[in-house]
Amino acid sequence: DSGVTQTPKHLITATGQRVTLRCSPRSGDLSVYWYQQSLDQGLQFLIQYYNGEERAKGNILERFSAQQFPDLHSELNLSSLELGDSALYFCASSAGTGHQPQHFGDGTRLSIL
Amino acid sequence: DQQVKQNSPSLSVQEGRISILNCDYTNSMFDYFLWYKKYPAEGPTFLISISSIKDKNEDGRFTVFLNKSAKHLSLHIVPSQPGDSAVYFCAASEKSGGSNYKLTFGKGTLLTVNP
Repeated sequence: DSGVTQTPKHLITATGQRVTLRCSPRSGDLSVYWYQQSLDQGLQFLIQYYNGEERAKGNILERFSAQQFPDLHSELNLSSLELGDSALYFCASSAGTGHQPQHFGDGTRLSIL
Repeated sequence: DQQVKQNSPSLSVQEGRISILNCDYTNSMFDYFLWYKKYPAEGPTFLISISSIKDKNEDGRFTVFLNKSAKHLSLHIVPSQPGDSAVYFCAASEKSGGSNYKLTFGKGTLLTVNP
């Protein structure tokens, strides 16, 4: 158990809809990262927050947004969903922002019908 | 453009033998490298890491080797055990501004250890 909790585990929705994925980091971790893993792809970095502030952005679409709340949990919002957004979305956390291993949750599987 | 490549999608070895997983990278700005292991329906789990100032790091049965001139790293597992069967991801870290670092992952190699 990594200590990172992601909800829900599975999400099925339709094109054009909006969903929110939730992540609770390990106790004491201030950094939260979001990744997308599509079929046959490695994990693609989306965005990083540290103590409530956005710190780094990867290949995140404009239709996607995220935030980290004062209690350090984070939410990833995906809107105007397309079939290609179907993927596993992972959240990871680390204590800080330097060279520290990231600890991953078990992911949310998003299926767009 | 894939900056971290794991060219072998799968690898099969016998229990007790050595498993060698390979990873190549193209970005010279990467200065820290990690290996993660992933079981089905679970998130990746950190396994071992190495700084670019070193060429070897060992932790029990796991050893990571880094060849900076060749932009190549490898993970050795000795001896391999059936419980090691999983997908292994290579990841490389570079500075993304301030004190922040960004991880770039390879696509993974499925290791199967046969009893």
